Amino acid sequence: GAVVSQHPSWVICKSGTSVKIECRSLDFQATTMFWYRQFPKQSLMLMATSNEGSKATYEQGVEKDKFLINHASLTLSTLTVTSAHPEDSSFYICSARDGSGTGSEQYFGPGTRLTVT
Amino acid sequence: DAKTTQPPSMDCAEGRAANLPCNHSTISGNEYVYWYRQIHSQGPQYIIHGLKNNETNEMASLIITEDRKSSTLILPHATLRDTAVYYCIVVPNFGNEKLTFGTGTRLTIIP
Repeated sequence: GAVVSQHPSWVICKSGTSVKIECRSLDFQATTMFWYRQFPKQSLMLMATSNEGSKATYEQGVEKDKFLINHASLTLSTLTVTSAHPEDSSFYICSARDGSGTGSEQYFGPGTRLTVT
Repeated sequence: DAKTTQPPSMDCAEGRAANLPCNHSTISGNEYVYWYRQIHSQGPQYIIHGLKNNETNEMASLIITEDRKSSTLILPHATLRDTAVYYCIVVPNFGNEKLTFGTGTRLTIIP
């Protein structure tokens, strides 16, 4: 099946610093990638949708200047958490849709656990 | 998007069939039923999807009622590795539709 990777798998950073998370589709081209956030014992919450070569579309309540998304190629999207604070500590998960497919199935990365101290 | 209702938790004995129900009474004609699962501390995994016919793949079977208001995901021979949270999601199949995850069903396979 389609494989999506994320890097890093976990990161600890100090409050006020920025962290970049990469999401790659390894064996397919992803015209659309999605970024989710999941707090402990909660479900996934969609943060933004990113289309290759265009600006991301953010969900209501998600600060676009704080969560910078870049989807510069068909296999790579990045999420940068700027000026991170402890409340940004969460499990960040990306997904990608295979552009050659006809359905809406998305393939998810393994997630990145961010801890802000 | 149509809302789905799932039981919060279920247990199933190892080796038996696990039947996970989902209600989606407000589903519209162009909306598909998708199932994903999330094993602890991992990203969700796509399982199966369908429109109105029953579907089967190497992981599971999906049974959709004739009125499409509910469906059942069947794991034919559950193993301990099937312990996960299972999400039933309804979405138009236009390609770039976002997925809205509910609370899902926490399935525990009992040895």
